[in-house]
Amino acid sequence: AQSVAQPEDQVNVAEGNPLTVKCTYSVSGNPYLFWYVQYPNRGLQFLLKYITGDNLVKGSYGFEAEFNKSQTSFHLKKPSALVSDSALYFCAVRDRRSGGYNKLIFGAGTRLAVHP
Amino acid sequence: GAGVSQSPSNKVTEKGKDVELRCDPISGHTALYWYRQRLGQGLEFLIYFQGNSAPDKSGLPSDRFSAERTGESVSTLTIQRTQQEDSAVYLCASSLEGGVSYTFGSGTRLTVV
Repeated sequence: AQSVAQPEDQVNVAEGNPLTVKCTYSVSGNPYLFWYVQYPNRGLQFLLKYITGDNLVKGSYGFEAEFNKSQTSFHLKKPSALVSDSALYFCAVRDRRSGGYNKLIFGAGTRLAVHP
Repeated sequence: GAGVSQSPSNKVTEKGKDVELRCDPISGHTALYWYRQRLGQGLEFLIYFQGNSAPDKSGLPSDRFSAERTGESVSTLTIQRTQQEDSAVYLCASSLEGGVSYTFGSGTRLTVV
């Protein structure tokens, strides 16, 4: 069965410092991997995804994520955090197989709090 | 349409009543998904429609939950005999068949009192 783990309920970081939000997954084969962000009372916004190619994926708002096949991880990173980055972050996976495997499976989410 | 549209945006219902939630996907998107998000928690997969194939209902939590989709258009999620534990935001998303770009709606916030 596919699953996604976000081991930290909350991550606290000072503004200007680098941030990492962790994600590991359990999926047969090589999955597609995604990060989404959710601001209070707003919808889910896409940040970035790994499909193929370079293991380092760059996305919106200065975020990036690194696919590590051996560790089955896809941690989200940003070199310098902003207070406005404070939100709920979700990692998601999708089976690469075709024919009815399109659904995204989400992690439980990590709340990022960036302090001034 | 330009995005995924969900209605109503908010719904308050009494325990035991039935509710219907609507999702209007992006035109041409053959795949449609329903998720449930309880307060402060992650997105739980409920059901997935792909064209004319049988839907993947593996995430529906009980037989009180059902969903329909007519062709490649609107979908309706029905919750019968609502319980307080059904209170959540119900999110709908759509994508092309086999696609890796998903568009989410703004959700329906359901409150069961």
